[in-house]
Amino acid sequence: EDKVVQSPLSLVVHEGDTVTLNCSYEVTNFRSLLWYKQEKKAPTFLFMLTSSGIEKKSGRLSSILDKKELFSILNITATQTGDSAVYLCAVGRTSRQLTFGSGTQLTVLP
Amino acid sequence: ETGVTQSPTHLIKTRGQQVTLRCSSQSGHNTVSWYQQALGQGPQFIFQYYREEENGRGNFPPRFSGLQFPNYSSELNVNALELDDSALYLCASSWLGTEGYGYTFGSGTRLTVV
Repeated sequence: EDKVVQSPLSLVVHEGDTVTLNCSYEVTNFRSLLWYKQEKKAPTFLFMLTSSGIEKKSGRLSSILDKKELFSILNITATQTGDSAVYLCAVGRTSRQLTFGSGTQLTVLP
Repeated sequence: ETGVTQSPTHLIKTRGQQVTLRCSSQSGHNTVSWYQQALGQGPQFIFQYYREEENGRGNFPPRFSGLQFPNYSSELNVNALELDDSALYLCASSWLGTEGYGYTFGSGTRLTVV
């Protein structure tokens, strides 16, 4: 059965800290791995990763995929209170169905 | 700005009733998927429509059904509502980019069954 596991489930840090969120997967017909940020309702797109070892960066956020070991990490440097959210990892299959992990709840304290 | 709009934003229904949720996606996004997100969980795939035909279904009973229309709008219908159907229902449209399929989510409909 396909599964996507995220860790930690929750994380509390202070502004300025660096955090690393983990995502491991076992999914058939893998096509891509995606990261989303969910603050209230709509998950908002962060990254799509399809190739191993190529880091994607957007401001203070970065992500990388390891297709051999079947995991991805999302790094956030110099965290801000606005980074507080649930971060979702999802694997896209060739059928275009997304399989999500249960998310990591990040809380950034001032 | 999401490009995918859902309605209503929230509603309350009684167990046993039926509900219809609506989604309008962007022109050209010919695949729409529906997800159920229970509190504290990641979204779970319900089903997917491509060119008005269902072409993938998750582990949900037949009382969950859908439609996709030529104008890229879509509906999710749930019959005989149960308390466990209380969740955020998300609609997503997918599109083919240079690296693969991207997915844009709507803001969801929060359904409470009492």
